[in-house]
Order: sequence, then structure tokens, then C-alpha cells
Amino acid sequence: DTEVTQTPKHLVMGMTNKKSLKCEQHMGHRAMYWYKQKAKKPPELMFVYSYEKLSINESVPSRFSPECPNSSLLNLHLHALQPEDSALYLCASSHQQGVGGELFFGEGSRLTVL
Amino acid sequence: DAKTTQPPSMDCAEGRAANLPCNHSTISGNEYVYWYRQIHSQGPQYIIHGLKNNETNEMASLIITEDRKSSTLILPHATLRDTAVYYCIVLGQTGANNLFFGTGTRLTVIP
Repeated sequence: DTEVTQTPKHLVMGMTNKKSLKCEQHMGHRAMYWYKQKAKKPPELMFVYSYEKLSINESVPSRFSPECPNSSLLNLHLHALQPEDSALYLCASSHQQGVGGELFFGEGSRLTVL
Repeated sequence: DAKTTQPPSMDCAEGRAANLPCNHSTISGNEYVYWYRQIHSQGPQYIIHGLKNNETNEMASLIITEDRKSSTLILPHATLRDTAVYYCIVLGQTGANNLFFGTGTRLTVIP
């Protein structure tokens, strides 16, 4: 199994809603990543988890709250988002953070904030 | 990590070789060149990486100049499914290997 699975594929939420994006991998990878991608722009790194601990936060606003409940799962909790947060949110995993650069990406969750 | 420069867009005829260039003049001795691509509405996909020798796999070939200041990704027989944005990334193999994407090259394969 070389897949990273993200759910939901599409999400529409209001600015007062609380929702979560989920990411799952069963490759035994110990590093997991969240990226944000706006239309026609490259992906931007948001968070990195290494061995289930947050190791990198690229100055992301607190309305985005990541969580890594175990080595296979990564969540991104969303609360009080703004319309400009509408984007494709990509999850990725790799064997370990800091060893090699081969990341496996999911298909992404497309978020629309109304 | 070193910065990369890629042309914003390229066209290639179907069945011909697609040669995508990348400049990375500030690359350091322990940094690798990685290539990813992103097909529309999908997540990025790893293609290939190399240090200084040329590399080939089932997807592509990577040619790195002797001074390592530039490289070329070659898709030997481009198909319509190769239409995508191609990202060249320079990355150390140890330490914080957080992948930062540049603007990439949008390759359009034309029938």
C-alpha cells in the first residue's frame, strides 16, 4: 500500500463552523506533512510531524490546528476560517523527516470557506 | 536549501522527448536535485532525484551538469498524460528535509 488517503475530498464550510480534514497512511512512515495550495500557486508547507510530534509550524494561524493521534493518522482541525483560507490542502508522508526527500502525497482536500 | 529557476511554461509534441531545464547555481555539495510533478487536481508525485550522476527510472531521466549548477529532466516519449506542472527542488539529504516548492514549469503535451 503506497497510498496517502485524504478525506473528505471536498469540504464547504462557513466561517463559524468547526471541521476537520483527515489523512491516513499505512506505509510505516514516521513523518507527515500538511501543505496548502492556492489556485495556480505551488504547495506551501504548513506543518511537519515527526514521530507523532509537531516539529515544524510554518507560522500558520491558530485557526488551523494539526493533530497526529498515531503514526498512521494526521488531522487538521479547522475553526473560524476566513474565505481566503479556501484552498487545496495536501497531506504527505515520508519515511522519516530529515532523511531523503521522497514524499508521498494524497490527492488533497479542496476546502471552500463561505 | 538552494534556490531553483525554471521556465514558467513549455510545450512538447506528443511522442517527442520533453526536456525540462532547471538552474540551481547555488547548490551545495551535499544537496540533491529532486523532481516532482503535479497533474491538475492531484497531489504532487515524486519522479526522480540525483546527486551528480545521471539517473534513469521508469518515468524519466535526470541529467545533471558536471558543475551541478543545472539539470534537465527528460521524459523520453511524452504523452498527453504527462501534461502537468514540473517542480525542480534542491534538498539536503539530512537535516530538515522539508520540501519547499518553487513555481515550476507547466508542461503542455500537444497532440
